[in-house]
Amino acid sequence: GEDVEQSLFLSVREGDSSVINCTYTDSSSTYLYWYKQEPGAGLQLLTYIFSNMDMKQDQRLTVLLNKKDKHLSLRIADTQTGDSAIYFCAEKGGSYIPTFGRGTSLIVHP
Amino acid sequence: GAGVSQSPSNKVTEKGKDVELRCDPISGHTALYWYRQRLGQGLEFLIYFQGNSAPDKSGLPSDRFSAERTGESVSTLTIQRTQQEDSAVYLCASSSQAGGTDTQYFGPGTRLTVL
Repeated sequence: GEDVEQSLFLSVREGDSSVINCTYTDSSSTYLYWYKQEPGAGLQLLTYIFSNMDMKQDQRLTVLLNKKDKHLSLRIADTQTGDSAIYFCAEKGGSYIPTFGRGTSLIVHP
Repeated sequence: GAGVSQSPSNKVTEKGKDVELRCDPISGHTALYWYRQRLGQGLEFLIYFQGNSAPDKSGLPSDRFSAERTGESVSTLTIQRTQQEDSAVYLCASSSQAGGTDTQYFGPGTRLTVL
């Protein structure tokens, strides 16, 4: 089946930029998503990108998509302690069921 | 309500007992998904409902798991004869599937602990 891979942990200093990477295998991916999960909560959609786009920016968030390499990244500028959470990458192609990665735990320290 | 709600938020049960988990989707959302999230793991798809179509049950891990949804309203996930490996957070999501993005909106989950 299709697969989505993410590194499990990322630690950054407050005020620095964070970059969370994701790779996927589905060549027919149409939509790619980033979700944030805070402790004890469900997943919250942060942003998404269509597969025909290279980049999408939304305030402190920048999503970059390299469709050739099937690589997606999420950059968080000026990372704050409130950004500490688990970030999930997900893709949806021909199937109506998205495939999620295992999540990257972002730890922001002073 | 404004978002997806799930109940109970926490459930502790003894091995062998049956449990029922409830999901209230966003009003008007035709699609509803159940996922299982084990500690430190990603989301494992369980079952998908779309309107009045037959549900996609391909993710259910065993015949002890079942789910129902009446129309476009509440869904219940039932686990019979619970086992310790069923301990996880069970997440429900709904989407409108009107337009292309088909964004899923998640509930806060039910944390199930099987002793």
